[in-house]
Amino acid sequence: EDQVTQSPEALRLQEGESSSLNCSYTVSGLRGLFWYRQDPGKGPEFLFTLYSAGEEKEKERLKATLTKKESFLHITAPKPEDSATYLCAVQVNLNDYKLSFGAGTTVTVRA
Amino acid sequence: EPEVTQTPSHQVTQMGQEVILRCVPISNHLYFYWYRQILGQKVEFLVSFYNNEISEKSEIFDDQFSVERPDGSNFTLKIRSTKLEDSAMYFCASSLEDTTSFFGQGTRLTVV
Repeated sequence: EDQVTQSPEALRLQEGESSSLNCSYTVSGLRGLFWYRQDPGKGPEFLFTLYSAGEEKEKERLKATLTKKESFLHITAPKPEDSATYLCAVQVNLNDYKLSFGAGTTVTVRA
Repeated sequence: EPEVTQTPSHQVTQMGQEVILRCVPISNHLYFYWYRQILGQKVEFLVSFYNNEISEKSEIFDDQFSVERPDGSNFTLKIRSTKLEDSAMYFCASSLEDTTSFFGQGTRLTVV
């Protein structure tokens, strides 16, 4: 069975304190790995798609990287508005285009 | 920017009643999905829909659930006889093909 595990479950940061979130996956044939941001009571908001090991994507203070077994979401000099739950999801070959999600990492950035 | 729209934002229903959750996917998208998220838990896949038929469904998507694309723009999820455990956020998503899925803001379903 495909597994997506995110760590840590929660992360409290001071404004400006950079950190990384981890998403490890055990799947047969990764088609793509996705990062989403979710605010309380809202739907997942797309951030990045990564397709192959070694790939990196950046957007403002966020940078996502991918290896053969895991992905990292690096938050550089976070601001309070970066507070959210960050979700990792995988799309697996031969299995339609559905997403299998991890449980998420809830990031709180204090001013 | 195109977005997925869901209505209503919150639905309260009595156990045993039928509910229909509505979604308007992004207009040129071809694949449509429903996911749900029980409070404090993971986002879970329910069903995918392509070319006017279900392409995949999860174990959660039993005979109580059905989906329909009644016209060129709407995509609906029907729960025939709601149970307490159906209380959750339900998210609609759409994608162009094997690309990124974009999600709506969700419908919070509360079964009492």
